[in-house]
Amino acid sequence: RKEVEQDPGPFNVPEGATVAFNCTYSNSASQSFFWYRQDCRKEPKLLMSVYSSGNEDGRFTAQLNRASQYISLLIRDSKLSDSATYLCVVKQGGSYIPTFGRGTSLIVHP
Amino acid sequence: DTEVTQTPKHLVMGMTNKKSLKCEQHMGHRAMYWYKQKAKKPPELMFVYSYEKLSINESVPSRFSPECPNSSLLNLHLHALQPEDSALYLCASSSQEINSPLHFGNGTRLTVT
Repeated sequence: RKEVEQDPGPFNVPEGATVAFNCTYSNSASQSFFWYRQDCRKEPKLLMSVYSSGNEDGRFTAQLNRASQYISLLIRDSKLSDSATYLCVVKQGGSYIPTFGRGTSLIVHP
Repeated sequence: DTEVTQTPKHLVMGMTNKKSLKCEQHMGHRAMYWYKQKAKKPPELMFVYSYEKLSINESVPSRFSPECPNSSLLNLHLHALQPEDSALYLCASSSQEINSPLHFGNGTRLTVT
C-alpha cells in the first residue's frame, strides 16, 4: 500500500461546478498536510496547508480527518484556470521529508 | 515570482557532457532538496541537504553529484547522463519546522541526447 494515495482522475467538470478530491495516508504519525497545484510543465505551487480544524481560502476548502486518515480539497465555482494537477503532500512527525501523492488531474471545461 | 531561483530553465546536453544545475534561495531555509519529475508522475526525491550537510541520498546514481556551497546555494553536477535522465529537475527549500511547506523553484527542463 502506498503511503499517500490519490485518485489520478481526470476529473472533468463544467465551469461553476463544485468538485472534491480526497487523499488518504497510511502513516498515523503524519502531522503536516498540504495541497499543491501543478500546471503542465511547471513547478508545484503551494495551494494551501491543511489544519486540524479545516481551513478555507476563497473558493478552496481543505479538511483533515485524522480518524480515517484522509485530507480533502473542495473547490467551489470552478474556473477554467483551476485546470491543473493537485498534489497531496504529507509530512510525518519529526521529519522534514515530505511524501507526495501521485496527483489528481482536474479539467474544467466551458 | 518564485523565491527559489533555478538556472538554467532549459538544458540540452550530450551523454559525454558535464553540466551543472544551480539553485538559490534567500528565505533563510536550512533544508534544501533536489527532485526529479517525469511526465505525469509526482516529484521523486533525489537528495536532501540539512544545514549544508547531505542528509539523504535516495540511491541516486553517481552521475548526479550534489553540492551545497553555503546555506543559500545548491548545485547539481551532471556527468555522463543517459537519455532516460531527461526530466524536470526541481529544487526546493523549507525551514526545519514540521508545519513548513516546500517552496519550489521553476525547475530546469533537462534533455539528454
